[in-house]
Amino acid sequence: EAGVAQSPRYKIIEKRQSVAFWCNPISGHATLYWYQQILGQGPKLLIQFQNNGVVDDSQLPKDRFSAERLKGVDSTLKIQPAKLEDSAVYLCASSLSGGFLNEQFFGPGTRLTVL
Amino acid sequence: AQSVSQHNHHVILSEAASLELGCNYSYGGTVNLFWYVQYPGQHLQLLLKYFSGDPLVKGIKGFEAEFIKSKFSFNLRKPSVQWSDTAEYFCAGGTYKYIFGTGTRLKVLA
Repeated sequence: EAGVAQSPRYKIIEKRQSVAFWCNPISGHATLYWYQQILGQGPKLLIQFQNNGVVDDSQLPKDRFSAERLKGVDSTLKIQPAKLEDSAVYLCASSLSGGFLNEQFFGPGTRLTVL
Repeated sequence: AQSVSQHNHHVILSEAASLELGCNYSYGGTVNLFWYVQYPGQHLQLLLKYFSGDPLVKGIKGFEAEFIKSKFSFNLRKPSVQWSDTAEYFCAGGTYKYIFGTGTRLKVLA
């Protein structure tokens, strides 16, 4: 079974530039999560999708971050414009369905460096 | 606000030593608790989980965790660590969304 795929794996940009990350969840997984993991901290949930609808985006800085999951499969997370404090690893995870009973499977992450 | 805290940020052990990593949560209601592990160069993966029932939970690779409601704790244990257990360990929980602790980096010396 293929795992969660993410690209790119690494990205370096200058502040005020824009960047986009892509995630392809495990086939058949209805729920998709984006996390931000700043160095020295645990993952912080940014947004959770159930199919192509948003379940929770309470911690997404909506003035600069946006995410979509148009066909209920792949998802993109965008930052525009980036700030220095956005430097982090962005993790995508998926599960069969929402809630805590279904295991989350994580992708390898995208490491973003903002200069 | 709900939170999950891990107090040990770095732990160094010799092989065969016993391991206990602390995790405390601060929220009421339904308890959902997890331990995740990230081996060097690998993805985060689930070690074990607790929702209800027997407070002693067994996970993969010989790990176990004990839920103690009175202490709001969910500590991870392993009787005898191996060099291959070198990794970062995250406790997580929450009632309506996942909240992760800051992680504990474990280094096991051969």
